[in-house]
Amino acid sequence: DIQMTQSPSSLSASVGDRVTIACQASQDIGNYLNWYQQKPGKAPNLLIYDASNVETGVPSRFSGSGSGTDFTLTINSLQPEDIATYYCQQYDSVPPLTFGGGTKVEIK
Amino acid sequence: QVQLQESGPGLVKPSQTLSLTCTVSGGSISSSGYYWSWIRQHPGKGLEWIGYIYLSGYTYYNPSLKSLPTISLDTSKNQFSLKLSSVTAADTAVYYCATYHLGFFDNWGQGTLVTVSS
Repeated sequence: DIQMTQSPSSLSASVGDRVTIACQASQDIGNYLNWYQQKPGKAPNLLIYDASNVETGVPSRFSGSGSGTDFTLTINSLQPEDIATYYCQQYDSVPPLTFGGGTKVEIK
Repeated sequence: QVQLQESGPGLVKPSQTLSLTCTVSGGSISSSGYYWSWIRQHPGKGLEWIGYIYLSGYTYYNPSLKSLPTISLDTSKNQFSLKLSSVTAADTAVYYCATYHLGFFDNWGQGTLVTVSS
């Protein structure tokens, strides 16, 4: 199975800060990497697909980058509504589809 | 926009079978290209893919699951279902149904909490 490791597991930042979340795959997955946002008590919501493509309707402050084993989700200018847990997910090697452990983002 | 809604018992006894149904609206479960999926989330933890089914009946399951899952389609009702046999407390989780398309999960149900307890 491909293991997905996210870092940090949690972070606290101020409104307007640039936030970066890392996701590392245990083997090369090309660009087969997606990012989701999960707000408390809600289902996850797709933000970024294929490493860098922003899903329709997602604010432009969200961006994704990377390929191979190292990926990054960036939130430019953190907003209060971005408080959530963020997950990466690989689909290069199935089964199983695997998710990272999550990064919880809080406002300082 | 496809909408999904999970339903089923919120409490299951250990060693019994967990049964959930996902009702699809706003689209047909017979649509090609979509895999009808189940994902779960243990309390306070991350996401775990359980498996999915395609229209042809082809299924893929997570081999790491200790409780054996079975996913099935009911095209006449526009529903798909999950059965998890011989459950234990470790199967207590929020269960989500979702559509898997082109590598990502693009539509999710709201989730339903299932507690395994005697």
